[in-house]
Amino acid sequence: AQTVTQSQPEMSVQEAETVTLSCTYDTSESDYYLFWYKQPPSRQMILVIRQEAYKQQNATENRFSVNFQKAAKSFSLKISDSQLGDAAMYFCAYYYGGSQGNLIFGKGTKLSVKP
Amino acid sequence: DSGVTQTPKHLITATGQRVTLRCSPRSGDLSVYWYQQSLDQGLQFLIQYYNGEERAKGNILERFSAQQFPDLHSELNLSSLELGDSALYFCASSVAVGTGFGETQYFGPGTRLLVL
Repeated sequence: AQTVTQSQPEMSVQEAETVTLSCTYDTSESDYYLFWYKQPPSRQMILVIRQEAYKQQNATENRFSVNFQKAAKSFSLKISDSQLGDAAMYFCAYYYGGSQGNLIFGKGTKLSVKP
Repeated sequence: DSGVTQTPKHLITATGQRVTLRCSPRSGDLSVYWYQQSLDQGLQFLIQYYNGEERAKGNILERFSAQQFPDLHSELNLSSLELGDSALYFCASSVAVGTGFGETQYFGPGTRLLVL
């Protein structure tokens, strides 16, 4: 069964600094997708970034980028120039598809941003 | 705004009662997913519908059921409610299943259920 592990329950970063959130996953599939979702205090789940496993190039969305290491089954999220509004829970998620299309989530990392 | 709507936003009820949560997917999305977020279990997949048909089941209790209607909106029915059912229930939608593109799921704002 596929699993997603976020080993950092909490992280803290200074405003304008860079922080990296870690995620590892376990799968026997070769073609899959990985996501980072942000959940601010409003509890809304917001898509941050997505990565296709068949693409070697790391995805980037403005200040957010990933470091995807397929062989190591690692998918970390880097937030550059951190802003107060980045404070939230961040969830790493895996998607395989096939006969089921559900996301498998990690337990999340709570990010605090200090002014 | 993801384009996915959920009603009601909050729901307070008593043990043993039955409630219905409603979800409208983004325009054009055929797949609807229900997830439960609780403090102890995290985010868990409950059930998936595609174009009116059930496609997959996750950790959904027998007391819970769902359906997707011809207009593609979905309802999650929770019955014989217990204290432990208190959670945030999310609906998500995506374009299709098995397209090979890797569906990106967009989440609604959730329904907060409190069972007293």
